[in-house]
Amino acid sequence: DAGVIQSPRHEVTEMGQEVTLRCKPISGHNSLFWYRQTMMRGLELLIYFNNNVPIDDSGMPEDRFSAKMPNASFSTLKIQPSEPRDSAVYFCASTSSGTGADTQYFGPGTRLTVL
Amino acid sequence: AQSVTQLDSQVPVFEEAPVELRCNYSSSVSVYLFWYVQYPNQGLQLLLKYLSGSTLVESINGFEAEFNKSQTSFHLRKPSVHISDTAEYFCAVKNAGNNRKLIWGLGTSLAVNP
Repeated sequence: DAGVIQSPRHEVTEMGQEVTLRCKPISGHNSLFWYRQTMMRGLELLIYFNNNVPIDDSGMPEDRFSAKMPNASFSTLKIQPSEPRDSAVYFCASTSSGTGADTQYFGPGTRLTVL
Repeated sequence: AQSVTQLDSQVPVFEEAPVELRCNYSSSVSVYLFWYVQYPNQGLQLLLKYLSGSTLVESINGFEAEFNKSQTSFHLRKPSVHISDTAEYFCAVKNAGNNRKLIWGLGTSLAVNP
């Protein structure tokens, strides 16, 4: 199993630019989570999907952030326009609906730096 | 509302010494409890979890945690740590139901020194 795949692994951009982060969950998993990790705030849940439908987006910081899951094997997190305070590591995680539905499997993360 | 408190942000320890990483939670409903580990520059991975049954749960690399309902705690222990255990450890709680959302602690940085 390839695990959760995230791209890019590193992204450096300038303030005001659009940033798109991508995630491919583990095949057969039906829930997907986007997290942001910073030293100051720790691990924050931004949004999660169940069967491609957003269930809880209360953690999305503001309108500059948007997330989509057009199908079961792909999700994007977009920041437009980006700001320096968005610099963080963004993780995607997925989980299944069957036995072990409680365990989240994390991708390697995307380290975003906004200059 | 649920919350998780990891009582120590950093724990330095010498190799082969015992260690305990403390985690307390609050919840008005039944919960599942988790410890995840994050090695440098990697994503988080499950270390162990408590869902039901025996309150003492173990991982494959020698860690164990005990669910204490009366004290609302789920402390992580290892009798003898290795340099390779150096990592960030996160405690998390989840409703024992269909809600998939985990509530996370802020993490404890374990530094094992030779």
